[in-house]
Amino acid sequence: QKEVEQDPGPLSVPEGAIVSLNCTYSNSAFQYFMWYRQYSRKGPELLMYTYSSGNKEDGRFTAQVDKSSKYISLFIRDSQPSDSATYLCAMRLNTGFQKLVFGTGTRLLVSP
Amino acid sequence: GAVVSQHPSRVICKSGTSVKIECRSLDFQATTMFWYRQFPKQSLMLMATSNEGSKATYEQGVEKDKFLINHASLTLSTLTVTSAHPEDSSFYICSAPPGQGVYEQFFGPGTRLTVL
Repeated sequence: QKEVEQDPGPLSVPEGAIVSLNCTYSNSAFQYFMWYRQYSRKGPELLMYTYSSGNKEDGRFTAQVDKSSKYISLFIRDSQPSDSATYLCAMRLNTGFQKLVFGTGTRLLVSP
Repeated sequence: GAVVSQHPSRVICKSGTSVKIECRSLDFQATTMFWYRQFPKQSLMLMATSNEGSKATYEQGVEKDKFLINHASLTLSTLTVTSAHPEDSSFYICSAPPGQGVYEQFFGPGTRLTVL
């Protein structure tokens, strides 16, 4: 079993839709949870991060962490064609060593 | 945000040759850098942690004699793929946190290696 599971997609939605992206994980010691966006042939860029459980909102993006279920989500409101990319969840322990464990990434396609 | 660059962005080489990839932190010092490999439609797999002034720490299953890492300064880490083979063809990405204990890692744009 992988430490972090993520549906690879692709997930196709029309412009303006609400998108829900999810990851599950097995290591209950993970404390920091991040979402990265990766365009084709580019390096990942950090979108959101959350420490421990709870919600965090930034513009059209909302990140949720449910540690009891070992489940994290990223919601994108009013999705745009420019949101088309691969979204990677990542997480790490609460220690000084900053190793990240990534999900496989979900490819999102937003059609105009 | 902080900027991490990689060079080259793309390289094609013959089987058996060695290829060096550079990772630079442009506006911050990085005592630690990470090297990842990403195969098509797969996630980033951590290969090794590069530590300035000391030996790199390799993940299980990564051959340290094949993937040589040098972190000679606070802004530069290099990954050398020695005696490259077609199965080494991949997208190599480095990242660096801008400080100790900082959650965020800034990623380079990646280097696409093709071994013929």
